[in-house]
Amino acid sequence: AQSVTQLDSHVSVSEGTPVLLRCNYSSSYSPSLFWYVQHPNKGLQLLLKYTSAATLVKGINGFEAEFKKSETSFHLTKPSAHMSDAAEYFCVVSGPSSGGYQKVTFGTGTKLQVIP
Amino acid sequence: SQTIHQWPATLVQPVGSPLSLECTVEGTSNPNLYWYRQAAGRGLQLLFYSVGIGQISSEVPQNLSASRPQDRQFILSSKKLLLSDSGFYLCAWSLGDQGSPLHFGNGTRLTVT
Repeated sequence: AQSVTQLDSHVSVSEGTPVLLRCNYSSSYSPSLFWYVQHPNKGLQLLLKYTSAATLVKGINGFEAEFKKSETSFHLTKPSAHMSDAAEYFCVVSGPSSGGYQKVTFGTGTKLQVIP
Repeated sequence: SQTIHQWPATLVQPVGSPLSLECTVEGTSNPNLYWYRQAAGRGLQLLFYSVGIGQISSEVPQNLSASRPQDRQFILSSKKLLLSDSGFYLCAWSLGDQGSPLHFGNGTRLTVT
């Protein structure tokens, strides 16, 4: 079984300040983890992925995330927020299903507001 | 490179009318294909997924159906739309292994009136 919890439904930061979006997961296997971003009325865009290589993963647009197995966390960070970062962010866990297929579980999303 | 096309981008349909949304993938073979729905203020709900031609798994019972007539074509249908079918529909594909991310289309905004 697997699940993912995004701890904040809304996060508000000032432009130029750091961003932290929190994600905790549970999985019976060594999971793969992803972060996606969705702008209004758009599809989801992959920001970064963790697949058991380096625990600190760098993604697009200056985002990065650190896989911490002991804390079952995969928090998304960015040193300095930009107005264009305002969007909704989804944490995703992927693992095998009982039938051997890929099972993908989405978090409920965190809406990031960037204040000028 | 792989691309995914989803259409139409927006659709307004009356209650009781039929629905057909189409999604095609280019640049890969035998992808896993997915249909998701986002209702206002809610997360992503997996509706259907397919691991091969003619193989469709339904996650949520409803008046929607899906078909995969060709390897890289995935169609979402309804015979009679309900008001509750309104939402943002997203098609996605992946290579199917655990480490493969899903790649999403741009979505279809469906409004049932």
